[in-house]
Amino acid sequence: DAKTTQPTSMDCAEGRAANLPCNHSTISGNEYVYWYRQIHSQGPQYIIHGLKNNETNEMASLIITEDRKSSTLILPHATLRDTAVYYCIAGTPTLGRLYFGRGTQLTVWP
Amino acid sequence: EADIYQTPRYLVIGTGKKITLECSQTMGHDKMYWYQQDPGMELHLIHYSYGVNSTEKGDLSSESTVSRIRTEHFPLTLESARPSHTSQYLCASSLFGANEKLFFGSGTQLSVL
Repeated sequence: DAKTTQPTSMDCAEGRAANLPCNHSTISGNEYVYWYRQIHSQGPQYIIHGLKNNETNEMASLIITEDRKSSTLILPHATLRDTAVYYCIAGTPTLGRLYFGRGTQLTVWP
Repeated sequence: EADIYQTPRYLVIGTGKKITLECSQTMGHDKMYWYQQDPGMELHLIHYSYGVNSTEKGDLSSESTVSRIRTEHFPLTLESARPSHTSQYLCASSLFGANEKLFFGSGTQLSVL
């Protein structure tokens, strides 16, 4: 899996957009970008993934740069329940593993 | 929502005891995983399985063992627990494919005294 770099922590006001960056400059052509989040003491939860194109689902949007060396996860209207550790992963699960780093601690404040 | 269950949720046990952490999923997923996580740290893959009778060691060396006799069941066993095994253990599953996503259980917090 390609190495990813994320800020250790970020904060955001409730109701505002949260933009979480991720660098994956060594990503290879067949590796996807995945985002998961982990709320304290629970198992990680899948959010979204993409290969080249931008993606949107009911939880978030994923913006991947054209060179695929970085991406941004966007939570359009953050709520207090979005406070969690967010993991950016570049990899191919078919190889049997995804590497979860330390992620970004997002704190949403009222 | 994902149907993957881990029991027990918490376990406090003495050194030297044999323990089995249970993980079951009702989604018919081929692949299952065990991760180990210490507080505030990254998840480490310790075991995974592609299907029945398939088990592989992960990136982090572990004294635990796993078995996959049934598709839905992937238990993890420690023959002799030690304080260094104190950690959270997370089980996950996924469908085999090009971009399958992982579904995680709620985890087992193990404390070995």
